[in-house]
Amino acid sequence: AQSVTQLDSQVPVFEEAPVELRCNYSSSVSVYLFWYVQYPNQGLQLLLKYLSGSTLVKSINGFEAEFNKSQTSFHLRKPSVHISDTAEYFCAVSRTGGGNKLTFGTGTQLKVEL
Amino acid sequence: DAGVTQSPTHLIKTRGQQVTLRCSPKSGHDTVSWYQQALGQGPQFIFQYYEEEERQRGNFPDRFSGHQFPNYSSELNVNALLLGDSALYLCASSASSGRALNEQFFGPGTRLTVL
Repeated sequence: AQSVTQLDSQVPVFEEAPVELRCNYSSSVSVYLFWYVQYPNQGLQLLLKYLSGSTLVKSINGFEAEFNKSQTSFHLRKPSVHISDTAEYFCAVSRTGGGNKLTFGTGTQLKVEL
Repeated sequence: DAGVTQSPTHLIKTRGQQVTLRCSPKSGHDTVSWYQQALGQGPQFIFQYYEEEERQRGNFPDRFSGHQFPNYSSELNVNALLLGDSALYLCASSASSGRALNEQFFGPGTRLTVL
């Protein structure tokens, strides 16, 4: 079985400041890693994913995450946040291979302030 | 492409009643997964349907059942509703082959309130 820990339930940050949202996972098998974003009253949107290859993955809106196998982490970072980044962010894992269920963390609420 | 659609958007039921939620997958997708997201929590996997059969199941009682139709759309049924079933129910679709094999696309969810 897999599990995901998101240590920070809320992260307040000022606009244009850098941010890091932490994610650690536990699994006895190889995993894929994902970050999803959820805006108020909406479903989940995939932000970025690590399947294989380069351990640093990037999204089109400036977020990046690095897979660290030795530390079983997949922290999400952005060098300069915008008000529009305010949302709930979920880290998730699945076993490698297709069609496997996602196991989510409890989420981190990112609140960007002026 | 309409993406994943779910209906209804909101639903209010009373304890003991039964409810059916519906999901249409993204075009080209043949696999549907259902998740329950309680307030302030991450989504929890309920089950997954592929080729009209339940392929994987999470730790949910058999009051939760589902169905997948030949057009890949899916229903989630919950019987004997409990107050604790109040949650956002999310449907996610994915493809069983191709580049997006390991990517699940989520719908906007159905907000179920049990009184």
